[in-house]
Amino acid sequence: DGGITQSPKYLFRKEGQNVTLSCEQNLNHDAMYWYRQDPGQGLRLIYYSQIVNDFQKGDIAEGYSVSREKKESFPLTVTSAQKNPTAFYLCASSRKTATNEKLFFGSGTQLSVL
Amino acid sequence: GENVEQHPSTLSVQEGDSAVIKCTYSDSASNYFPWYKQELGKRPQLIIDIRSNVGEKKDQRIAVTLNKTAKHFSLHITETQPEDSAVYFCAARGRGSTLGRLYFGRGTQLTVWP
Repeated sequence: DGGITQSPKYLFRKEGQNVTLSCEQNLNHDAMYWYRQDPGQGLRLIYYSQIVNDFQKGDIAEGYSVSREKKESFPLTVTSAQKNPTAFYLCASSRKTATNEKLFFGSGTQLSVL
Repeated sequence: GENVEQHPSTLSVQEGDSAVIKCTYSDSASNYFPWYKQELGKRPQLIIDIRSNVGEKKDQRIAVTLNKTAKHFSLHITETQPEDSAVYFCAARGRGSTLGRLYFGRGTQLTVWP
């Protein structure tokens, strides 16, 4: 559990502002993921990355952007184009994607709009 | 892509009773089915998983069954305890889906009353 860290725990966004959520892991995992959690909606995949400098859109990528410049880091930017950003965001990692590897989740960031 | 349906969305049981959560999936190529538990305010954690070459798997009070023909799988919790109260998510990973990503159900809020 302690190998994947998200910050901040709470984040507030003003109208028209971009905000960035941090996700760092020291598990030496190749794959990293961002999920959005809304009540009754389950875990919806925003973006995922198998390897440094490569990432793929998930099911709800519009209004979000990511980068994977380092193996241990996968920051998520919520842009002003995301009109309904209030949600709980979870980062996860696994050793690989295309195998039956379990996901290790971070403790999450609650994003709210001011 | 894969579509995972999960029922019920909420479940209340008396301590000591059994609880069953059911999921269906759409992609017959899916071959890996994990279950994650998320306690209030905490991160999701893997509790049990099953692969398509197995029909049932047990781990103490929890068990998962898989019916490939009907494309459904279920989580069974026996002798429930208050600490079993949490949100449970089922998921499926398709052998044929892009990069083997997981598709999650919407979750079941289980409440165990003492």
